[in-house]
Amino acid sequence: DVKVTQSSRYLVKRTGEKVFLECVQDMDHENMFWYRQDPGLGLRLIYFSYDVKMKEKGDIPEGYSVSREKKERFSLILESASTNQTSMYLCASRHSGGSNQPQHFGDGTRLSIL
Amino acid sequence: GIQVEQSPPDLILQEGANSTLRCNFSDSVNNLQWFHQNPWGQLINLFYIPSGTKQNGRLSATTVATERYSLLYISSSQTTDSGVYFCAVEAGSYQLTFGKGTKLSVIP
Repeated sequence: DVKVTQSSRYLVKRTGEKVFLECVQDMDHENMFWYRQDPGLGLRLIYFSYDVKMKEKGDIPEGYSVSREKKERFSLILESASTNQTSMYLCASRHSGGSNQPQHFGDGTRLSIL
Repeated sequence: GIQVEQSPPDLILQEGANSTLRCNFSDSVNNLQWFHQNPWGQLINLFYIPSGTKQNGRLSATTVATERYSLLYISSSQTTDSGVYFCAVEAGSYQLTFGKGTKLSVIP
């Protein structure tokens, strides 16, 4: 079974802090994704990475950056956390392969910015 | 971008009842997935089904790609089936576009 592990289930930080959310997958997947989920807005893509050191902006990249130095790890960085970044964050990964493959999600991180 | 509409938005079932959830999408897709989000927020893969029919225990799904819809069937529902069911599609890009979900409540 695919295992996507997010470093924290719950996280509380203060406004202005630099926040790191970590995601690790164990299936040698090329593609990795960060989404956030908000009531009434659903799941929205923040950034994705199609391979090591590669990244692309999703729908809502403002206020975030990402890092993919190793294939198994994809980090989401809140450069200066703000209260409107309080949300549920979900990481996903998948194999790129020769045709489209399903995305597999981690358990999510509930982030509160005070 | 592609639009994904799910119906019904809310569903309340008696334990043991059957149900059908629908997902309509506005363009051709090369990936369609059904997820169950449990009350703890975990997003569980149910089916990867860009076309055809699949079954897994009490759950089954059918996608008719030419008519741009997918159906998720839940038979003999249990209280543990409660949660939100999402349909998500991918149309030529890396991005999954999610519907707003169907919130299912199964009561004993």
